[in-house]
Amino acid sequence: NAGVTQTPKFRVLKTGQSMTLLCAQDMNHEYMYWYRQDPGMGLRLIHYSVGEGTTAKGEVPDGYNVSRLKKQNFLLGLESAAPSQTSVYFCASDTVNQPQHFGDGTRLSIL
Amino acid sequence: DAKTTQPNSMESNEEEPVHLPCNHSTISGTDYIHWYRQLPSQGPEYVIHGLTSNVNNRMASLAIAEDRKSSTLILHRATLRDAAVYYCILRLRYGNKLVFGAGTILRVKS
Repeated sequence: NAGVTQTPKFRVLKTGQSMTLLCAQDMNHEYMYWYRQDPGMGLRLIHYSVGEGTTAKGEVPDGYNVSRLKKQNFLLGLESAAPSQTSVYFCASDTVNQPQHFGDGTRLSIL
Repeated sequence: DAKTTQPNSMESNEEEPVHLPCNHSTISGTDYIHWYRQLPSQGPEYVIHGLTSNVNNRMASLAIAEDRKSSTLILHRATLRDAAVYYCILRLRYGNKLVFGAGTILRVKS
């Protein structure tokens, strides 16, 4: 049972490039989330999804897009990367009234 | 979302109990108190949660004040592996979002 798996684990981008971060969960959870964590700070919610085909904005959604075409996958896209998006990105999933399970994170640097 | 207040950092000796406080004076009747921790270079992991009564599990205990305006996470015997950032979070009973503050950095000395 892998839990929440994030791909890739590390990535370096140049300003203006685009990329997609993939999150996969094998626990049949309805809800999935993308957070970012900057040094010395807690996690901040970017976007989340309460079910296949649905997404919603979190606290810091600007510059990001998401898609949930399959229940087990949640994709986070950066269309035109900016240095301010250098961060560690965490994906999580859960179901109603259950704890969230987190992946190990993707470390993204934008030069 | 209701806010929580935690000390920036705490220090403990190995094998001794640790009491991590959290204030949540604006908590509503439908808010659950959740604790997560984040070990270095890892994602957060769930520790414990409760509503009104004290709770125990294999990782920790949660003591909730009678007026629910504060709570304490208790690690009964701290180990070096317990060194982490501990987050106290309020979560709506049927809500899904977690709002993370800066948390408490716990350092454990051998």
